[in-house]
Amino acid sequence: QKEVEQNSGPLSVPEGAIASLNCTYSDRGSQSFFWYRQYSGKSPELIMFIYSNGDKEDGRFTAQLNKASQYVSLLIRDSQPSDSATYLCAVRSGGSNYKLTFGKGSLLTVNP
Amino acid sequence: DAGVIQSPRHEVTEMGQEVTLRCKPISGHNSLFWYRQTMMRGLELLIYFNNNVPIDDSGMPEDRFSAKMPNASFSTLKIQPSEPRDSAVYFCASSPTGQGGATNEKLFFGSGTQLSVL
Repeated sequence: QKEVEQNSGPLSVPEGAIASLNCTYSDRGSQSFFWYRQYSGKSPELIMFIYSNGDKEDGRFTAQLNKASQYVSLLIRDSQPSDSATYLCAVRSGGSNYKLTFGKGSLLTVNP
Repeated sequence: DAGVIQSPRHEVTEMGQEVTLRCKPISGHNSLFWYRQTMMRGLELLIYFNNNVPIDDSGMPEDRFSAKMPNASFSTLKIQPSEPRDSAVYFCASSPTGQGGATNEKLFFGSGTQLSVL
């Protein structure tokens, strides 16, 4: 059973702080890693994806991947109240070109 | 583009009744997914279609669930008979197919159908 675990959260940070969300995965053959954001009562939307070890930055968001440790994280700098949402980590295994396994999500609240 | 369109937004039914959920993917997207989301299990893939053909239905929980995609612009997920444990949010998502047959990295989700089976 390929698993994606998200153990951080619920997380509450003040406006302007850095929020750090973490995810581990069990399938060592996993190739692609994604972060989706889901506002309450809404559908998930993709905010970041990363394939290679290291960091990938997009605006206030940074995804970090460490394949040796089977660990992927999402950093949100200068957190805003509008960042308050559930963040879903998703992993595509090497044996599939379509199937994503999602974590259960981490709830982030940014307090003004 | 209007995005992925799902109907109905909410469905309340009684145990034993048939439920049909509908999805219109984004035009030009040839990959379509049905997901189910619950607090306990998170977001789970039920079935994946590529070019209207079911490729992977291993996530369909049991024979009470069936899905069809008669053409590129329409798909249905049917539950017959429904049970209280089917209560969840059901999402349809679509994606274009990228290089090497891999789905494009971005899934476009519909607004979901909140199903309650009493």
